[in-house]
Amino acid sequence: DAKTTQPNSMESNEEEPVHLPCNHSTISGTDYIHWYRQLPSQGPEYVIHGLTSNVNNRMASLAIAEDRKSSTLILHRATLRDAAVYYCILKRNDMRFGAGTRLTVKP
Amino acid sequence: GAVVSQHPSWVICKSGTSVKIECRSLDFQATTMFWYRQFPKQSLMLMATSNEGSKATYEQGVEKDKFLINHASLTLSTLTVTSAHPEDSSFYICSASYGAPYEQYFGPGTRLTVT
Repeated sequence: DAKTTQPNSMESNEEEPVHLPCNHSTISGTDYIHWYRQLPSQGPEYVIHGLTSNVNNRMASLAIAEDRKSSTLILHRATLRDAAVYYCILKRNDMRFGAGTRLTVKP
Repeated sequence: GAVVSQHPSWVICKSGTSVKIECRSLDFQATTMFWYRQFPKQSLMLMATSNEGSKATYEQGVEKDKFLINHASLTLSTLTVTSAHPEDSSFYICSASYGAPYEQYFGPGTRLTVT
């Protein structure tokens, strides 16, 4: 399975942008890059996904490197409610989670 | 986005008994449903994948006779933990999808405690 590498943890200040990196050097041409986040004792929540082009939605932006070997999830203005574990996942037919990045947002 | 529900949200059972967890896609028909298990401070681990009307495909190391999965319709999948033991205590999460490459929608999870 194609694997992803993310920092274990990151910190941000409230109302500042946050850039969460993900490396996926073994990505194949048919893998979609998905981002989910999980709050304690809850199921994961979909954030965004993309294939080759950068993507924007109301929650975040996804910047995908030209060679697709890395991507960055961008939260434009972090709020306290954005504190969660963020997972970067390469999806083919199923979805396998790595360790993710625990984001702490400081007021 | 689409909504996936799970029932119950938590359950406590005695060792040796069986527990059934339901997963429903409320506003869409899910061609594929997935079951995950998550231990404290760990990531989600995929247990099995099921397509409506087909037998589930289990991940290596997951006992199919212990974790019975039924996907009888496009909106309902059930996971039955048979002869539960304390080591089966975990957070069980289901998700549903229209199919690759679409996103998966996750349920809120079911906390199982086996005493």
